[in-house]
Amino acid sequence: DAKTTQPTSMDCAEGRAANLPCNHSTISGNEYVYWYRQIHSQGPQYIIHGLKNNETNEMASLIITEDRKSSTLILPHATLRDTAVYYCIVGSNYQLIWGAGTKLIIKP
Amino acid sequence: GAVVSQHPSRVICKSGTSVKIECRSLDFQATTMFWYRQFPKQSLMLMATSNEGSKATYEQGVEKDKFLINHASLTLSTLTVTSAHPEDSSFYICSAPRDPNYGYTFGSGTRLTVV
Repeated sequence: DAKTTQPTSMDCAEGRAANLPCNHSTISGNEYVYWYRQIHSQGPQYIIHGLKNNETNEMASLIITEDRKSSTLILPHATLRDTAVYYCIVGSNYQLIWGAGTKLIIKP
Repeated sequence: GAVVSQHPSRVICKSGTSVKIECRSLDFQATTMFWYRQFPKQSLMLMATSNEGSKATYEQGVEKDKFLINHASLTLSTLTVTSAHPEDSSFYICSAPRDPNYGYTFGSGTRLTVV
């Protein structure tokens, strides 16, 4: 079973920040939180990952709660091309179990 | 950097034939390759893990004689679907770790349709 829980779907207006939540209450101490996205009929694309500190890169920011039981992926200025299924995954040592993800729809 | 090239992107084959899917790591050495299958509107399901120079490890319920995996070199892993049937029609994706804790690079996927 997947170790994460995400909303099935979300909408966001173009140009606004998209905040995607993820619960991972059973995360272990050595497991990272990874975020990927998959645009229809393509391979997943890596977005960001973190262990316990908040992380930011050119694509997104990752906010991890202090107890590490949940996290939020932030796309600061969503565009129509950000429409995709976003997967939050926890794992380590190459063990990733994929949940159903959140279908994010960016609306003009 | 860290690109995995997957071919073919689409293939249609007749029932009973075999199809080979290739994944090549272009600018890094992939000692491990993960093979996933994804049915429409579903998430990725890990099928097997291939390791260069050793036998692949298959997930429960995946027939190793049907899905032959070969990891012949540090840059090439192949998945052969033998005696394909319509129920094998799916999206197959390979993935390799970039480094132990940095995430994974995915191929672009292969859409297999068995008619």
